[in-house]
Amino acid sequence: QSVLTQPPSASGTPGQRVTISCSGSSSNIGSNTVNWFQHLPETAPKLLIYSNNQRPSGVPDRFSGSKSGTSASLAISGLQSEDEADYYCAAWDDRLNGWVFGGGTKLTVL
Amino acid sequence: EVQLVESGGGLVQPGRSLRLSCAASGFSFDDYAMHWVRQAPGKGLEWVSGISWNSGSIGYADSVKGRFTISRDNAKNFLYLQMNSLRTEDTALYYCSKGAYSSGYSFDLWGQGTLVTVSS
Repeated sequence: QSVLTQPPSASGTPGQRVTISCSGSSSNIGSNTVNWFQHLPETAPKLLIYSNNQRPSGVPDRFSGSKSGTSASLAISGLQSEDEADYYCAAWDDRLNGWVFGGGTKLTVL
Repeated sequence: EVQLVESGGGLVQPGRSLRLSCAASGFSFDDYAMHWVRQAPGKGLEWVSGISWNSGSIGYADSVKGRFTISRDNAKNFLYLQMNSLRTEDTALYYCSKGAYSSGYSFDLWGQGTLVTVSS
């Protein structure tokens, strides 16, 4: 059971906007920033969002992140077929003194 | 080219040891913290261990504490993970990743992973 809670699945049609939630606690999301990752099969995970809402160079602005209290969200607008992947949130946990990941959300583009 | 390349994985019996290596190139290795993250078959990502740029800060997941040891050689641009007393539940694809030790811009570069299978 993961420390950060994500829905196991999400779906949308091309062009649609989807959001993926990530719920934590005061020791992780509540006091530290959140990162989001995209993981395609047979590839290395890719950093999508860092520090709650910052995009690394090269990540399209269709991807955005937000945080409020002990929860965070990843939004993907203008959904494309190549967005079909697993998405993970992560944050540093002050109580565990380590990084914690969400269980992952499998996004299906219908 | 900026890259991380893991090696050292393989099939090992429960209770035995294995040492993973991660070769870094294309960036100033000694400027960054490094991490090991694993993914068991059919499961999600799990942070295993992290080490700061100068080895002054080191952390482990509870699941591996006391059995795994992370280290780095900044002169050779290598990251290591010594895994002792291996269990079947340690079976996973192990990735090394670069980034901040405890917050912010972290896990911005990943290797392709090395597979560890613990089985009798």
